[in-house]
Amino acid sequence: KQEVTQIPAALSVPEGENLVLNCSFTDSAIYNLQWFRQDPGKGLTSLLLIQSSQREQTSGRLNASLDKSSGRSTLYIAASQPGDSATYLCAVDGPSGSARQLTFGSGTQLTVLP
Amino acid sequence: DVKVTQSSRYLVKRTGEKVFLECVQDMDHENMFWYRQDPGLGLRLIYFSYDVKMKEKGDIPEGYSVSREKKERFSLILESASTNQTSMYLCASSRAGGPIQYFGAGTRLSVL
Repeated sequence: KQEVTQIPAALSVPEGENLVLNCSFTDSAIYNLQWFRQDPGKGLTSLLLIQSSQREQTSGRLNASLDKSSGRSTLYIAASQPGDSATYLCAVDGPSGSARQLTFGSGTQLTVLP
Repeated sequence: DVKVTQSSRYLVKRTGEKVFLECVQDMDHENMFWYRQDPGLGLRLIYFSYDVKMKEKGDIPEGYSVSREKKERFSLILESASTNQTSMYLCASSRAGGPIQYFGAGTRLSVL
């Protein structure tokens, strides 16, 4: 059964710092890996999707990488801002279970201090 | 613009009550999902549906049922609410074969 782990559970950084969030998964047979953002009391917003054949995806100040063979992904946030404060979740989908299902990590709660 | 709407943001119910959580999407998506989210446990899939009247169990279906009579609406039913069902419930939808799921704002349910 696929398991997804995110470390650290919480992270606090001063504004302007570059930071890295980590995600690992136990079964490398995935189709896609996604990073989501969740603001307090809200639903999830998809940030980046990396297909299994890709190594990375970029959107603005965000860059996500994927090393499928080692079961790892990182989300790099450049020049962090207080507005980046949120919980970031990664999720994978693949033949472990149904291709329609996502398996989520428990998230990293990021606080960017002004 | 993509829209997944959950009927209630907050609900308070009593133990033993029958509870309905409603979700509506306006994107003509085939797939719909119900998750619950608990601190430290992430999102766990309760049920999903890939077509009208079709459903499949997720990882934690016990104590829940679902209904999908129309393509745009997916209901989660707690037949007899219990305190351990106090949680944040999130609905999502996606197109057939599409990996990206679009989420509603969530319903925070408290069972007293």
